[in-house]
Amino acid sequence: TQLLEQSPQFLSIQEGENLTVYCNSSSVFSSLQWYRQEPGEGPVLLVTVVTGGEVKKLKRLTFQFGDARKDSSLHITAAQPGDTGLYLCAGEFNDYKLSFGAGTTVTVRA
Amino acid sequence: NAGVTQTPKFRILKIGQSMTLQCTQDMNHNYMYWYRQDPGMGLKLIYYSVGAGITDKGEVPNGYNVSRSTTEDFPLRLELAAPSQTSVYFCASSYSSGMRGYTFGSGTRLTVV
Repeated sequence: TQLLEQSPQFLSIQEGENLTVYCNSSSVFSSLQWYRQEPGEGPVLLVTVVTGGEVKKLKRLTFQFGDARKDSSLHITAAQPGDTGLYLCAGEFNDYKLSFGAGTTVTVRA
Repeated sequence: NAGVTQTPKFRILKIGQSMTLQCTQDMNHNYMYWYRQDPGMGLKLIYYSVGAGITDKGEVPNGYNVSRSTTEDFPLRLELAAPSQTSVYFCASSYSSGMRGYTFGSGTRLTVV
């Protein structure tokens, strides 16, 4: 089992502030995905990054993939209460199965 | 467009009882997965299937069984339920590569008492 470490575990910020969530592994990913999960629902895919150094933007969310493909970050600019949720990173290691991090619970206060 | 459908949504079992968690998908995905999610532990893979008639163990298979008789359905069977199986169970499906992302169901919350 490949280990993915996410940090921080919890994050509580005021509306309008920025936040960053990190995902790290000692192994190289074939691809890395970020999901968001709301209470009582399954995770929903936000983005997939494949190439080392890749940066993808999804409105106020920016995703970076490390040059060595062992780490990734999710940055939210001007967070809104609708961004509240559990953010999960998931790494694919040379096969089709994903290994998930433990998640970061983000709370954005109005 | 239903995606991945799981039933039931909630269930309480007594120790030693058995049950089947149902999962069906309508996207013609070959690959299907069962995960369990415990607080602060992320998602752990129980079983997976790469196509009808083919199943394999994941990270935490003990106490569970699966079958895949059709592309659409991938039920998870719990035999002799134990308190350690109290969890939220998610079924997911994908195309041949995980790179295109998984589609998850909305989960089954199981409590064993």
